[in-house]
Amino acid sequence: EDQVTQSPEALRLQEGESSSLNCSYTVSGLRRLFWYRQDPGKGPEFLFTLYSAGEEKEKERLKATLTKKESFLHITAPKPEDSATYLCAVQGYGQNFVFGPGTRLSVLP
Amino acid sequence: DAGVTQSPTHLIKTRGQHVTLRCSPISGHKSVSWYQQVLGQGPQFIFQYYEKEERGRGNFPDRFSARQFPNYSSELNVNALLLGDSALYLCASSGGDPEYNEQFFGPGTRLTVL
Repeated sequence: EDQVTQSPEALRLQEGESSSLNCSYTVSGLRRLFWYRQDPGKGPEFLFTLYSAGEEKEKERLKATLTKKESFLHITAPKPEDSATYLCAVQGYGQNFVFGPGTRLSVLP
Repeated sequence: DAGVTQSPTHLIKTRGQHVTLRCSPISGHKSVSWYQQVLGQGPQFIFQYYEKEERGRGNFPDRFSARQFPNYSSELNVNALLLGDSALYLCASSGGDPEYNEQFFGPGTRLTVL
């Protein structure tokens, strides 16, 4: 059974303090890995799709990387508006999306 | 362009009642997926439809059912509501085959069962 775990569960950063979020996965055959951002009471907002180990994607202060067993979401010099829950999801071949529980990020001014 | 829309925004029901949630995908998208998100957890897959055919079903009881209409909108029905059905119900649409395309989520319907 496909499984996704994320760590830490919650993270508090000072504005400008860079850090990384971890997504560890178990899937029989990884087709794609996704990162989403979710604000309270809203639907997830698509950020990145990663397909193979070694791949990297960047968007503003965010960079996502992928290895054979985990993915990292690096946040460089975060701002308060980056505060949200970050969700990781995997899709195996012929399978539907499996989401992790998310990491709640708070960036303090 | 409008994104995925869902109605209603909020809903309060009592145990044993029935509920219908509605979703309109992004214009031109032919796939709709439904997810249940309990507070503090990630979304859990319920159903997926592509070109009006069921593509996948998650581990949910038969009280949950769904369908996709000719205009690609979709309904999620839940019968005999339980307290544990209280959650945010999310709809996501894909431009093409969801096996190969990204999913974009709507704002969700917050269901409270009393």
